[in-house]
Amino acid sequence: AQSVTQLGSHVSVSEGALVLLRCNYSSSVPPYLFWYVQYPNQGLQLLLKYTSAATLVKGINGFEAEFKKSETSFHLTKPSAHMSDAAEYFCAVGKGSYIPTFGRGTSLIVHP
Amino acid sequence: DAGVIQSPRHEVTEMGQEVTLRCKPISGHNSLFWYRQTMMRGLELLIYFNNNVPIDDSGMPEDRFSAKMPNASFSTLKIQPSEPRDSAVYFCASSLTLTEAFFGQGTRLTVV
Repeated sequence: AQSVTQLGSHVSVSEGALVLLRCNYSSSVPPYLFWYVQYPNQGLQLLLKYTSAATLVKGINGFEAEFKKSETSFHLTKPSAHMSDAAEYFCAVGKGSYIPTFGRGTSLIVHP
Repeated sequence: DAGVIQSPRHEVTEMGQEVTLRCKPISGHNSLFWYRQTMMRGLELLIYFNNNVPIDDSGMPEDRFSAKMPNASFSTLKIQPSEPRDSAVYFCASSLTLTEAFFGQGTRLTVV
């Protein structure tokens, strides 16, 4: 069994500030972990993925995430937020036959 | 490649009517997923096909929902009869084994 918990349905930051979106997972086997972004009226787009190689994963648009097995976490960060980062972000866990289980999503709001 | 193509983008129908959503996956991908997204329940996996065969349909809400994949380039999700609680955004996604899932733009279904 596997599941994902995203802490905080909304995160608000100022432009230029650090972005931190939290994700904790539960999996009975070593997981694959993913972050997706969804812009309004769009489908989900993969930001980055962890597949048991390097624990620090770099993705598109300056985002990165670190896999911490001891904390069962895979938090998403970006050093400096941009207005265009405003979107819904989903963490997902999957393995093997690749049926990702998604979290409820976190809405990132960026203030000027 | 044009990506995953879903049609229609928007559908408004009356309660009791049959609704058919269509999906063309990315050429060469061997896995196809149908998801439903609502505010209340988030992103839910409805059904997963591998090599055109339904592997996991445990997420299909009830017998009113059915999905087919007659060939590698086409899938349908049918709701008959439709109900207002079926109103949601339905996403199709495709994947090449153990790589990222590519999502379509979604179909926004409104049942009145």
